[in-house]
Amino acid sequence: SQQGEEDPQALSIQEGENATMNCSYKTSINNLQWYRQNSGRGLVHLILIRSNEREKHSGRLRVTLDTSKKSSSLLITASRAADTASYFCATDGGNNRLAFGKGNQVVVIP
Amino acid sequence: GAVVSQHPSRVICKSGTSVKIECRSLDFQATTMFWYRQFPKQSLMLMATSNEGSKATYEQGVEKDKFLINHASLTLSTLTVTSAHPEDSSFYICSATTSGGLSSYNEQFFGPGTRLTVL
Repeated sequence: SQQGEEDPQALSIQEGENATMNCSYKTSINNLQWYRQNSGRGLVHLILIRSNEREKHSGRLRVTLDTSKKSSSLLITASRAADTASYFCATDGGNNRLAFGKGNQVVVIP
Repeated sequence: GAVVSQHPSRVICKSGTSVKIECRSLDFQATTMFWYRQFPKQSLMLMATSNEGSKATYEQGVEKDKFLINHASLTLSTLTVTSAHPEDSSFYICSATTSGGLSSYNEQFFGPGTRLTVL
């Protein structure tokens, strides 16, 4: 299965700043999804971008997808303390089996 | 809608015992359920895919005799960790999806996870 891989660095930002994290993968995909996970909890689906889409917005979230580079980015604008969490990308090769990346821990300082 | 529950949320057991974790879709029928495990500060790793009424499909490297999966109904899948050992301690997360209906891409809805600690 594909492996989504984020840049492994943790991110610590001030409230109100933007947070950007990246994800790369290795094989062809049907779609790429971003999830949030609060410590010790389940996953919350944030946004899905299909392989034929280049950019998608949902509230304060902006996702880009570059299939030629096999990479995606997630931008959270005007961050809030409640955005503190781990963020994972996951790729779907079309068989609904998701391959998750390593995750980015984001800390938003009030 | 689309709520998935897991029970128990936490379990501590002695080495050598078996532990059963339940995953339920509360307001929809799940044709497919997935089981993942997650080690601290790491990503989710898919363990197996479970289709209602058929045998689970295990990912490479996952022992099917160690991790028994049953998907007897459209709202319930169980994962039994047999003869658990300390190295099985992990966070186990299930997800459920349905073909058609809720979404064209069969969105997975995740449970809250079960923390297993084997002493």
